[in-house]
Amino acid sequence: GAGVSQSPRYKVAKRGQDVALRCDPISGHVSLFWYQQALGQGPEFLTYFQNEAQLDKSGLPSDRFFAERPEGSVSTLKIQRTQQEDSAVYLCASSLAPKFDTQYFGPGTRLTVL
Amino acid sequence: GIQVEQSPPDLILQEGANSTLRCNFSDSVNNLQWFHQNPWGQLINLFYIPSGTKQNGRLSATTVATERYSLLYISSSQTTDSGVYFCAVDVLNTGFQKLVFGTGTRLLVSP
Repeated sequence: GAGVSQSPRYKVAKRGQDVALRCDPISGHVSLFWYQQALGQGPEFLTYFQNEAQLDKSGLPSDRFFAERPEGSVSTLKIQRTQQEDSAVYLCASSLAPKFDTQYFGPGTRLTVL
Repeated sequence: GIQVEQSPPDLILQEGANSTLRCNFSDSVNNLQWFHQNPWGQLINLFYIPSGTKQNGRLSATTVATERYSLLYISSSQTTDSGVYFCAVDVLNTGFQKLVFGTGTRLLVSP
């Protein structure tokens, strides 16, 4: 595709609900990243996939956060039992190579937990 | 972990003015990228610049890796340059590009 796409662009959830956020990376990109951006701050790393393998999930805030990329293309970030502190913009990025390459970011999903 | 500080935190310019944004990082890195986050939240790559100087139109960037800083120059600023500028560094000793973002510089260019 022309760029990284994410859906939905906006999500409002009641506290305790489960949500699923989707990322479509640029076609052929091996590496896929998820970041969380709180209001007024820079993005923070959550997790990394190389093809379908999740090689690093050290940034996931709690065990309520789960990510997958089963076929090595589309990825889903799932948050169970959402809390107010989960409110943020969730950004997805992809790159052709794992290292020494530019990361291209999607438009993000703004999650608001009431 | 590595610290990435940007200055100034906020900047207001008149259209046509020039500016310099700074990014300091506390440890050696593999590379550094500059991004512009527009008012709609989209992060746009400006430069991939582990060292040296690059130019792209009115923008240029210089990274001095040995002294752990990078500079972004904006010349003849336009209102469309408004937004937040982030530098991000790729930390060492990971098998992939694990970016740590700086604190950001919020730029407002007025007509």
